[in-house]
Amino acid sequence: EVQLVESGGGLVQPGGSLRLSCAASGFTFSDHYMDWVRQAPGKGLEWVGRTRNKANSYTTEYAASVKGRFTISRDDSKNSLYLQMNSLKTEDTAVYYCRGGDADAFDIWGQGTMVTVSS
Amino acid sequence: SYELTQPSSVSVSPGQTARITCSGDVLAKKYARWFQQKPGQAPVLVIYKDSERPSGIPERFSGSSSGTTVTLTISGAQVEDEADYYCYSAADNNQVFGGGTKLTVL
Repeated sequence: EVQLVESGGGLVQPGGSLRLSCAASGFTFSDHYMDWVRQAPGKGLEWVGRTRNKANSYTTEYAASVKGRFTISRDDSKNSLYLQMNSLKTEDTAVYYCRGGDADAFDIWGQGTMVTVSS
Repeated sequence: SYELTQPSSVSVSPGQTARITCSGDVLAKKYARWFQQKPGQAPVLVIYKDSERPSGIPERFSGSSSGTTVTLTISGAQVEDEADYYCYSAADNNQVFGGGTKLTVL
């Protein structure tokens, strides 16, 4: 079964850090780009960032709202994606989804992990 | 920055055709995708490359493109199609989602 499972969410104080993980199974993880997408409570989807595959030099991109604070990495040997979040703000509170895709119909999402930034 | 604009809500009766539009300058040059999201669930891809339908998505879902606007059409909408729908595209090194459209079928 093709699957993405996120973990690592929780409650953190403003200014704190958190590391999210995403475990992939059922597909060739190393072939695909991987994104993090978030959704604040009651709001729409917001793209957070991307790491491309080895063929594309593992390049990364970030939304302006998180650039310089968040870092995306991947470990193809472990079929895993990570999101290191530093200097967290209350507006970073959201469900964080990992997503894997390609240029065509392959586009899968995990069930999400909740991150709450509050004092 | 790039923006994709969708209506906030669309409402149809069961069996009617629902059309959801998405507008943005980037759509004249880049493909769009459409995602369906039901409450408490992760998004699901329903259209890619403007008009292609992934396997497993009902034939009543179709997509089209004209200039800077793409349209998701649900022909003969069913109650189970009630959900939030998001368009999505890419420009340069950024990915962007539309604000989402709540489709009500009742």
